[in-house]
Amino acid sequence: GNSVTQMEGPVTLSEEAFLTINCTYTATGYPSLFWYVQYPGEGLQLLLKATKADDKGSNKGFEATYRKETTSFHLEKGSVQVSDSAVYFCALEEDQGGSEKLVFGKGTKLTVNP
Amino acid sequence: ETGVTQTPRHLVMGMTNKKSLKCEQHLGHNAMYWYKQSAKKPLELMFVYSLEERVENNSVPSRFSPECPNSSHLFLHLHTLQPEDSALYLCASSRGGAGTGELFFGEGSRLTVL
Repeated sequence: GNSVTQMEGPVTLSEEAFLTINCTYTATGYPSLFWYVQYPGEGLQLLLKATKADDKGSNKGFEATYRKETTSFHLEKGSVQVSDSAVYFCALEEDQGGSEKLVFGKGTKLTVNP
Repeated sequence: ETGVTQTPRHLVMGMTNKKSLKCEQHLGHNAMYWYKQSAKKPLELMFVYSLEERVENNSVPSRFSPECPNSSHLFLHLHTLQPEDSALYLCASSRGGAGTGELFFGEGSRLTVL
């Protein structure tokens, strides 16, 4: 079946450091790919997405590019802030008429220190 | 405020108790979901309702019983749970069939089974 693998955390960075969180997927066909973020004490929220190969999703300074050749969707940010501390989830969408069926990775906890 | 409200936020129950989790969405969405979030595991999709009909049940034990009386409300009835059922239970909604992959999550109900 479809699956998502993302790097084990936790990741601890200093403010203004460069961030990469790796994500690879296994799927039949070319699913849409997503990054969700969960801030402390909150539910998940969509951060960015890409629906086809070579698409780049971006939001709040974060970027991820859909790489079909390497089946990857790595999350990057050039300069992290303390407020970026959260758990980040990579996900793919399976075809499901009438609803959105997402397969999530385990999540990567990011802590940014001042 | 994501438009998805879950109650209670915290619940402690014994293995012989019966309790219910409630989810309400004010976004006009047609699909609603229950996810289980446990430490160091991917989010587990438990149930999906589309237009108030259950479309997915991922082999969840019968001690978890969902109910969707209308498109705005979703319940998860709990009875004779086990300690390993302790987790964060997340409710989500979506426009249903939109193909956007965007789920709107509540803040979750933290369940502890003694």
